[in-house]
Amino acid sequence: DAKTTQPPSMDCAEGRAANLPCNHSTISGNEYVYWYRQIHSQGPQYIIHGLKNNETNEMASLIITEDRKSSTLILPHATLRDTAVYYCIVRGFTNFGNEKLTFGTGTRLTIIP
Amino acid sequence: ETGVTQSPTHLIKTRGQQVTLRCSSQSGHNTVSWYQQALGQGPQFIFQYYREEENGRGNFPPRFSGLQFPNYSSELNVNALELDDSALYLCASSLLQGNGYTFGSGTRLTVV
Repeated sequence: DAKTTQPPSMDCAEGRAANLPCNHSTISGNEYVYWYRQIHSQGPQYIIHGLKNNETNEMASLIITEDRKSSTLILPHATLRDTAVYYCIVRGFTNFGNEKLTFGTGTRLTIIP
Repeated sequence: ETGVTQSPTHLIKTRGQQVTLRCSSQSGHNTVSWYQQALGQGPQFIFQYYREEENGRGNFPPRFSGLQFPNYSSELNVNALELDDSALYLCASSLLQGNGYTFGSGTRLTVV
């Protein structure tokens, strides 16, 4: 499974854009990048995913570099409810060839009032 | 659509005992994956079930086993509990080759 590297923690002021980086230098050509977040003691929540192109949805934007070795999750206007652990995941495969998610330790994002 | 529900939410067991955790998939999803999340760590993949058969397994011993039922709900069984099995156990449902996993809120297991 391709590994991801994220900073362990980040702070962001409320109302500002939060930019969360992720390195995935060993990613293969057909592997997607997924972002999930986990608010304290809850299950992970899907945010966004992408393969090559930049993606945007109602929650966030995902910017993937042209060489696909890194990406950035952007929360455009962070609120206090965005305080969570954010996981960048390269979707891997089970030994049966089906897809699975391999989590790292994530980035703990704290939104400061 | 209903989400993923897990039961129980909390559980305390004694070392050496056996435990069964339950998961109901999101409507329309045919695949269930189980994850173990120790305190301060990211979730670790245990195994995945599709069509009532194990469809992939992480680095967990055989005392971790599972079942999937025709309605796609699932159970995780852990035998001979050890103190290190204390964790949040997460169930996620998906389509087999689909994009996006829906997680439940987990079962917090404490082994004493």
